[in-house]
Amino acid sequence: DQQVKQNSPSLSVQEGRISILNCDYTNSMFDYFLWYKKYPAEGPTFLISISSIKDKNEDGRFTVFLNKSAKHLSLHIVPSQPGDSAVYFCAARTSGGSNYKLTFGKGTLLTVNP
Amino acid sequence: DGGITQSPKYLFRKEGQNVTLSCEQNLNHDAMYWYRQDPGQGLRLIYYSQIVNDFQKGDIAEGYSVSREKKESFPLTVTSAQKNPTAFYLCASQPRGHQVNTEAFFGQGTRLTVV
Repeated sequence: DQQVKQNSPSLSVQEGRISILNCDYTNSMFDYFLWYKKYPAEGPTFLISISSIKDKNEDGRFTVFLNKSAKHLSLHIVPSQPGDSAVYFCAARTSGGSNYKLTFGKGTLLTVNP
Repeated sequence: DGGITQSPKYLFRKEGQNVTLSCEQNLNHDAMYWYRQDPGQGLRLIYYSQIVNDFQKGDIAEGYSVSREKKESFPLTVTSAQKNPTAFYLCASQPRGHQVNTEAFFGQGTRLTVV
């Protein structure tokens, strides 16, 4: 059972426009969410995160929105740049107890065209 | 400088042989993880360890084994029992503690090819 879902395997946008990557989750115990960026043959790098007590977190061109009632989060990249082309993974975990493992979605390949 | 190191980056093995992937971190993180990436599958958790001398199975532990004898090291052995061992393997670490919202740091990965 997939607890974190990224239903769009790929997304293509023009340079300078907004990229919106979506993520849905089913486990209501998740309370911390992260986005990672990954280039081929490299490890993922952390991009931005959000705690369930917030509905928005912004860092430069990157903004993550969380809708707890819908169990949905999205990553907005504005403006998109060709260097943003990569696979983006959504991840979630529960912060309580002793288990801090991350559950990942399958990823969305973003292509930003010049 | 601090980081998490996986070696080697590329590894080739013959079918039926066990192989051990190395993961070392100098971030003083308690928790370490092994993930596997396959095309279209995202990152799937193999094993994780929250503290030295303790580890738990993840979602796809069959055919793998780990050890955690030192805080800095979390090697993964891919045994001959693993039916589809060819994949990209990623090691990660993160701090452990109550009410700590931090990200996991990943190594650069090891591409294992079994022929």
